[in-house]
Amino acid sequence: QKEVEQDPGPLSVPEGAIVSLNCTYSNSAFQYFMWYRQYSRKGPELLMYTYSSGNKEDGRFTAQVDKSSKYISLFIRDSQPSDSATYLCAMRGVTGANNLFFGTGTRLTVIP
Amino acid sequence: DTEVTQTPKHLVMGMTNKKSLKCEQHMGHRAMYWYKQKAKKPPELMFVYSYEKLSINESVPSRFSPECPNSSLLNLHLHALQPEDSALYLCASSQDGSGRGRETQYFGPGTRLLVL
Repeated sequence: QKEVEQDPGPLSVPEGAIVSLNCTYSNSAFQYFMWYRQYSRKGPELLMYTYSSGNKEDGRFTAQVDKSSKYISLFIRDSQPSDSATYLCAMRGVTGANNLFFGTGTRLTVIP
Repeated sequence: DTEVTQTPKHLVMGMTNKKSLKCEQHMGHRAMYWYKQKAKKPPELMFVYSYEKLSINESVPSRFSPECPNSSLLNLHLHALQPEDSALYLCASSQDGSGRGRETQYFGPGTRLLVL
């Protein structure tokens, strides 16, 4: 079983839709949770960073962490064509920033 | 400023060539990383430098040779690569690699490498 599971998609939605992206994980030691956005042929860009359980909102983006279910989500409201990218979840424990565990990434296309 | 820069953006090399990838950051970070990413896959960690010392080598073949000349620069020297080494090579940096607090990794745009 992989440490982090993420549906690879692809996911296609119309412009303006609400998008839900999810990851599940098996290691209860994970405390820090990140979402990276990666445009085609570019490096990952940090989008959201959450510690432990709870919600975090930044503009059209909301990150949720449910540690009891080992489940994290990223919601995108009013999706735009410019949101078309691959979204990678990543997580780690309390020590060792180098020990990041990535999901496989979900490829999202927002259709105008 | 959370920018990590990488040069070159693209590189084509033959299996007998020697080339180098360069990475630079000016965020005062003391940990720097090399990752390899194949198409439709997540990044795979190759090397970690912490305070200019190699702290992690994820069993990477010796044809990849990292170097950290100072706290802002990271190089990856390439020699006698194979076609299967073609990938996007990503550099990242973080505060010091300890994981204390909300330390996180910031990635560069990558170098797309093609080995013929």
